[in-house]
Amino acid sequence: NAGVMQNPRHLVRRRGQEARLRCSPMKGHSHVYWYRQLPEEGLKFMVYLQKENIIDESGMPKERFSAEFPKEGPSILRIQQVVRGDSAAYFCASSPSSPGHTDTQYFGPGTRLTVL
Amino acid sequence: DQQVKQNSPSLSVQEGRISILNCDYTNSMFDYFLWYKKYPAEGPTFLISISSIKDKNEDGRFTVFLNKSAKHLSLHIVPSQPGDSAVYFCAASVLVGNQFYFGTGTSLTVIP
Repeated sequence: NAGVMQNPRHLVRRRGQEARLRCSPMKGHSHVYWYRQLPEEGLKFMVYLQKENIIDESGMPKERFSAEFPKEGPSILRIQQVVRGDSAAYFCASSPSSPGHTDTQYFGPGTRLTVL
Repeated sequence: DQQVKQNSPSLSVQEGRISILNCDYTNSMFDYFLWYKKYPAEGPTFLISISSIKDKNEDGRFTVFLNKSAKHLSLHIVPSQPGDSAVYFCAASVLVGNQFYFGTGTSLTVIP
């Protein structure tokens, strides 16, 4: 029973390039969450998605960041025109729960993005 | 605005003794609380949770206590083992919305 998978584990980009981070939820999970952890800080919520729908994107920066969770395939977090301040660990989590019910979220190993 | 706070960035405990990690929150709407454990270069691993209808939940060596009036929860690990050395995050959420609010973490070192 595979857990949450994220790839790549490490990603290096130069300023101005695009970064694409992928997340495959646990089998049977239809809810995906993205969190960002900046150095010396806790995890900050970015976005919550279900298949083909963005449910809550209140934590997403207004520009350059977007997320999707298509009907087929992994969830993608996309960062356009990266800047040094985007360097962080990006974690994906998934849960099986229905809206209105809280359940545990299971985390992937993270993608460490470094912007040169 | 940090709604979940862990005021101790680090804690050292002797093997076999009790580790107590603390967490405070400000949002009275939070109804569900969790503790996660994180090793370097890995994602957080779920440890234990508690809903607001309880004041204590126990799982083996791990016990979480919730004091709603004080908006405070704590994680007790007894006896502490060297393998418990990690960063511990507390998290909270409301029933509707599912977003988790995380504290900044406490780095626990268990000394053999």
